[in-house]
Amino acid sequence: SQQGEEDPQALSIQEGENATMNCSYKTSINNLQWYRQNSGRGLVHLILIRSNEREKHSGRLRVTLDTSKKSSSLLITASRAADTASYFCATDGMDSNYQLIWGAGTKLIIKP
Amino acid sequence: DTAVSQTPKYLVTQMGNDKSIKCEQNLGHDTMYWYKQDSKKFLKIMFSYNNKELIINETVPNRFSPKSPDKAHLNLHINSLELGDSAVYFCASSQDGTAWANYGYTFGSGTRLTVV
Repeated sequence: SQQGEEDPQALSIQEGENATMNCSYKTSINNLQWYRQNSGRGLVHLILIRSNEREKHSGRLRVTLDTSKKSSSLLITASRAADTASYFCATDGMDSNYQLIWGAGTKLIIKP
Repeated sequence: DTAVSQTPKYLVTQMGNDKSIKCEQNLGHDTMYWYKQDSKKFLKIMFSYNNKELIINETVPNRFSPKSPDKAHLNLHINSLELGDSAVYFCASSQDGTAWANYGYTFGSGTRLTVV
């Protein structure tokens, strides 16, 4: 089942701008993960944030988690053409039998 | 030194045929998965194996049969292929799988199956 819902479904910005994607989920979670998928490729793990964490950074990526709103955001600063990809959130839910529940993804296009 | 490798990358076959997709991981992970990604990019778990034992078997037609000869390999065999089976199939592995995830999954590059 699809628990996570990414927003927006598609985002097109100029190179150098910041890109923000959001993910909402429905049930309590243990952690939330973000993945990137380049066209025609497999998914690549970006960041895992636990339910007791509020913010996490990795290079140009910043992830926030608000468990009261059941939402997370992924911020990519100073975007580059190579950031063009689809971005997925996945949650490790309390009642998901330890399997990840995936959102439908945000397609990000960085225009040169 | 590919972490999760799956073959073939592309598979075009006729309806009714039987085909297999192979997956191997060299990460020493205990858990392996098969996912199906449809044309709208939805990812759906199909199967999960932990140390060669089936732990997740979602509602998948029994034409799909996974086989794990050892914990580094998880193959997917599909009988009597149908048009609706056309999709991209991803193999993945993780260090967890029977507990809360502490690590991300590592995915293969996918097998694009086209049934004609």
